[in-house]
Amino acid sequence: AQTVTQSQPEMSVQEAETVTLSCTYDTSESNYYLFWYKQPPSRQMILVIRQEAYKQQNATENRFSVNFQKAAKSFSLKISDSQLGDTAMYFCAFSHNQGGSEKLVFGKGTKLTVNP
Amino acid sequence: DSGVTQTPKHLITATGQRVTLRCSPRSGDLSVYWYQQSLDQGLQFLIQYYNGEERAKGNILERFSAQQFPDLHSELNLSSLELGDSALYFCASSVGQGGPYEQYFGPGTRLTVT
Repeated sequence: AQTVTQSQPEMSVQEAETVTLSCTYDTSESNYYLFWYKQPPSRQMILVIRQEAYKQQNATENRFSVNFQKAAKSFSLKISDSQLGDTAMYFCAFSHNQGGSEKLVFGKGTKLTVNP
Repeated sequence: DSGVTQTPKHLITATGQRVTLRCSPRSGDLSVYWYQQSLDQGLQFLIQYYNGEERAKGNILERFSAQQFPDLHSELNLSSLELGDSALYFCASSVGQGGPYEQYFGPGTRLTVT
């Protein structure tokens, strides 16, 4: 069974600074997908970024980028120029196609606070 | 707005009761997933439907059941409710199978069992 571990329960960063959230996972699959979801105080789950395991190039979405290290099974999220609106829980998630299902396996989350 | 709708937003009920949570996926999406978010268990996958058929089951209790209708909306039925069933229940939808594709989440239904 796949597992996802987020070792930082809470983090804080100053506005405009850069912060990196860590995520490691365990799987025997070779083809899979990794995601970062953001959950602000509104509780809405918002997809931030995704990475396909077969792609060597790290995914980027505006101020968000990942550092994907397949051999180390590591998938960290870097947020540049942090903004107050980035304050949220961040969940790392794993998925692969198994019998037509692509269920998400989530980590426990990291609570990020951006301070003014 | 993800395009996924869930009703009701909040539900308060007593132990032993039965409730139904409803989800309408994004237009064109055939897959619907249900997840439970609780303080002690985190976010857990419950069940998936694809085009009306059950595709996968996760940590779903026997007291819980779900279905997906011909118009692709889905309902999650929770019966004989216990205090521990209090949680945020999310529905997510994706285009289909053969991906994985991005899953888009609804706003959730907050269930409180008293």
